[in-house]
Amino acid sequence: AQKITQTQPGMFVQEKEAVTLDCTYDTSDPSYGLFWYKQPSSGEMIFLIYQGSYDQQNATEGRYSLNFQKARKSANLVISASQLGDSAMYFCAMRGAGGTSYGKLTFGQGTILTVHP
Amino acid sequence: GAVVSQHPSRVICKSGTSVKIECRSLDFQATTMFWYRQFPKQSLMLMATSNEGSKATYEQGVEKDKFLINHASLTLSTLTVTSAHPEDSSFYICSARIFRGVINEQFFGPGTRLTVL
Repeated sequence: AQKITQTQPGMFVQEKEAVTLDCTYDTSDPSYGLFWYKQPSSGEMIFLIYQGSYDQQNATEGRYSLNFQKARKSANLVISASQLGDSAMYFCAMRGAGGTSYGKLTFGQGTILTVHP
Repeated sequence: GAVVSQHPSRVICKSGTSVKIECRSLDFQATTMFWYRQFPKQSLMLMATSNEGSKATYEQGVEKDKFLINHASLTLSTLTVTSAHPEDSSFYICSARIFRGVINEQFFGPGTRLTVL
């Protein structure tokens, strides 16, 4: 079974500052993928960044980077230079690679990020 | 990019009626689509996996007779909420899977907000 844990129900950050959103996971699959999605109030799920379990380097996409620490089973999202438009719910998700977990995304509880001007 | 649409975006219905939600992949063929349910400020919960030409696979606790899923073509999956009740009011999101190189990605539809009176 897969499990994703986001322990921060809400986070606040000042505009232009960096913020880290925490995510830990648990799985018995040797191969898996980790995702971060942004969900604004409109409800759409916006893909931000992906990290494969065998990737040697941390993933980066523009202002988003994923701090992947495999031994600690953590995949924290770092947003640099926060903007007001970053205010949204953020979900960490895992996709399993085998068995009944294949292809399915398991989501964390989400973190509501509020960016203050 | 890969675009997934949902129709309708919002629906209000009376208790006891059935509601059909469509999920379409607009510029790619999706052999697999997923249906999620999300209550306010909560995580996405996978309801079922829909494979083209075969019966959907439902997650534990999801009533297959209440949530009918049909995946008749490579670009269309439908979710029918039968005999809807107020507790079925929720945000329903579909996603479609596509393989890009070694990565299989899911692209989400914009969601359908169902309100049952």
